[in-house]
Parts: sequence; C-alpha cells; structure tokens
Amino acid sequence: GQNIDQPTEMTATEGAIVQINCTYQTSGFNGLFWYQQHAGEAPTFLSYNVLDGLEEKGRFSSFLSRSKGYSYLLLKELQMKDSASYLCAPLDSNYQLIWGAGTKLIIKP
Amino acid sequence: GAVVSQHPSRVICKSGTSVKIECRSLDFQATTMFWYRQFPKQSLMLMATSNEGSKATYEQGVEKDKFLINHASLTLSTLTVTSAHPEDSSFYICSTGTSGGAPKGHEQFFGPGTRLTVL
Repeated sequence: GQNIDQPTEMTATEGAIVQINCTYQTSGFNGLFWYQQHAGEAPTFLSYNVLDGLEEKGRFSSFLSRSKGYSYLLLKELQMKDSASYLCAPLDSNYQLIWGAGTKLIIKP
Repeated sequence: GAVVSQHPSRVICKSGTSVKIECRSLDFQATTMFWYRQFPKQSLMLMATSNEGSKATYEQGVEKDKFLINHASLTLSTLTVTSAHPEDSSFYICSTGTSGGAPKGHEQFFGPGTRLTVL
C-alpha cells in the first residue's frame, strides 16, 4: 500500500531552525512535493525534489533520499507566519500525489 | 505558478439542498482539474479528477451521482453537491495541474477552497 508518515505536530521558537521529517512508501516514485497549508486555506507549493540531495530556496530547504524513502523540510530563521501545516506529498507511478495528514508547526515567540 | 479561484469561499445550506462550487483557472488552460475534500485535522482526500470535455474519474468510495463534476471548458470546472447532508460539511478544494511531461509538471495549483456547512 501507499503510506506517508510525518509527525503530527511540532513546536519551535521564533528565529530557530526546525526539521520536519517525512517517510513514504509508494507504488513507484516520480518525485516529492512539500506544500504549506495555513489553517482554513488551501495548500501552497514550497518545493519539489526528484533527485537525491538538498534543494535550497531561501529560508526553506528540502532533502530527499530515494533509497531510504525519506525526505525532510528544513525551515530556518523561523517567523511567526511560518505557523502552518506542512504536507509531504510524493508522486506515485501514475503521477498521482499521495497526501499525508501533514505536520502542524507551532511557532512560539 | 497558475492562479486558481473558487467561488463561493463559504456556503451554508439546509440539508437536502444542492450546492454548486466553481473552480476557475485564471491564467492558463487547465485540461485537468482535481477536486479534494478535507475534514479538520485530516489529509486532503482526492475525490475526483476532471478532464475537460470528458467524464470525471472518481476515487473509490466517492458517489458520482452525489458529487457531480462538470469540466465544460479549459478554465472552469464545477462541483455540485446534491442533496447535501451535515456529513458533507467539509472544506472543498480544487486544483489544476499540467499533465504529462516531466514530473515537475505535475505540480498542482490550488484554489482558496470552499467551506461548506450543511445545517
């Protein structure tokens, strides 16, 4: 079957760094997306990885290890507006996004 | 990325009535649109994939006669919740995506969502 595993909730302090891990099992693999979703809003695109390694984009970086079925999203210099849910979504062999429940990130002052 | 709008953003209706939700792709022609439902603190659940000019493909467990999808043009798809009941209360989100080509083209662009409350 297909499965996404992320922590349900994480808490971090403003200005700090946080890493949100994701492990996945899918039927085939065609890359992995990270989306940010604020409460009551639709998801917005953050990153896409298809090759192993780290992709850096400003304060956010995303890492992928295909052999381990593992990805993480790294957020630096946390701001209060980063409080949101972060969704890990791999693409399976049919190019369908497989969604997990996401990780709710709470930023404290 | 693409810009997607949804209307209405919020709707409250009585049980037994039908509600139509519109999803518009504002700046590109969307051959494929996706309809999702999300209950509080749960993941996005794909309901159906809608292709312009053809019948939608529904996910297992989603009643096609209850959730009517029409994708009559490259910029508009509609979801009609027929005979709505309180258990249909949810956050409905549409997205558009490009199909085929490199995987990156399968990035989805989401509308702002529609909060449906059925009394």
